[in-house]
Amino acid sequence: DAMVIQNPRYQVTQFGKPVTLSCSQTLNHNVMYWYQQKSSQAPKLLFHYYDKDFNNEADTPDNFQSRRPNTSFCFLDIRSPGLGDAAMYLCATSRESSRRTDTQYFGPGTRLTVL
Amino acid sequence: QQQVKQSPQSLIVQKGGIPIINCAYENTAFDYFPWYQQFPGKGPALLIAIRPDVSEKKEGRFTISFNKSAKQFSLHIMDSQPGDSATYFCAARNQGGKLIFGQGTELSVKP
Repeated sequence: DAMVIQNPRYQVTQFGKPVTLSCSQTLNHNVMYWYQQKSSQAPKLLFHYYDKDFNNEADTPDNFQSRRPNTSFCFLDIRSPGLGDAAMYLCATSRESSRRTDTQYFGPGTRLTVL
Repeated sequence: QQQVKQSPQSLIVQKGGIPIINCAYENTAFDYFPWYQQFPGKGPALLIAIRPDVSEKKEGRFTISFNKSAKQFSLHIMDSQPGDSATYFCAARNQGGKLIFGQGTELSVKP
């Protein structure tokens, strides 16, 4: 029944050691989003894919990259994690980005710890 | 112009009470206003959503009231239960499809 799946749910990495988080969806949605959420804060959009078109937010650090090899999967790569990158990473999907009643559906998140 | 201001930051009510969470916005081009409920360690889950041409929407115990002229909207939870204790985020969608989130309200419903 899970529609937006994130793996792993918990990830521990060392300072500076690259890490990849994955997201998959069974909804066949066109748009996939990656958000960063720190404790007691709202989700912060990092970037999104509309189909294969990549859209980066202006304030997303270069340390964060993303890949979308097909409709169902999207990856978040953190090239050199710093202590400040410890957060919950949320994947979301929507059918299209501009339809009036479109909705974003979130996955359960991956909690990243940086040692 | 792209901000959504949410209040209060935290809220404590007794079981059966009616917590009310308020949001305000400036950008009249926002076209869709969802509310998300988030439990600790989980992703946000869509609770209820409204379009700006509707003044009220009710789903179960959850009601959104929308005041287009005042550019404000609010979430009411009827007969609140301890299981409703969570963080609630209002959001507004801009013309590019991006969600602008409020700061969140941590709700605690006491038994």
